[in-house]
Amino acid sequence: DIQMTQSPSSLSASVGDRVTITCRASQSISNYLNWYQQKPGKAPKLLIYAASSLQSGVPSRFSGSGSGTDFTLTISSLQPEDFATYFCQQTYSTPWTFGQGTKVEIK
Amino acid sequence: QVQLQESGPGLVKPSQTLSLTCTVSGGSISSGGYYWTWIRQHPGKGLEWIGYIYYSGSTDYNPSLKSRVTISVDTSKNQFSLKLSSVTAADTAVYYCARRYSRSSLENWFDPWGQGTLVTVSS
Repeated sequence: DIQMTQSPSSLSASVGDRVTITCRASQSISNYLNWYQQKPGKAPKLLIYAASSLQSGVPSRFSGSGSGTDFTLTISSLQPEDFATYFCQQTYSTPWTFGQGTKVEIK
Repeated sequence: QVQLQESGPGLVKPSQTLSLTCTVSGGSISSGGYYWTWIRQHPGKGLEWIGYIYYSGSTDYNPSLKSRVTISVDTSKNQFSLKLSSVTAADTAVYYCARRYSRSSLENWFDPWGQGTLVTVSS
């Protein structure tokens, strides 16, 4: 199975901050990488697919980049509604696997 | 707008079979290009893909669960179901159903998801 490792596991940030979350795959997955946002008690919500494509309806402050084994999710200016946990997911090979999550908390 | 809703018992005894149903509304489960998926999340942990089914009945499962999992579809009811046999406490989790969109064999993503249902395995 492809292991997905996110860093950091958690971070504290203020409204307006630029936030970057990293996801590393245990082998090359090209750009077959998705990002999801999960708020407490809610289902995950798709933010980014194919490493850098913004899902319809997702604010443009979210962006994704990377290819191969290293990927990033960037929030350009953190908003109050962005405090949540973020997961990456690879779909290069089954079983599709997720990162362990990065919790973004209020500073 | 497609919506998914899980239903089923919230408590299952060890060694029994966990059974959940996902009802799809706002769209047809027989729409081509979509695969109907189960994912679970252990308390406070990450996400684990369980498996999926196409409306035609073709399936694929996570090898770690394959021997215990069956996913089926009922197109007449616009529902698909999960059965997980011989459950233990390790199967306690929030179970989500989701629609997987497949743009190509490798470009896949899950959207939308159901709200999730907590299943506890305990005697």
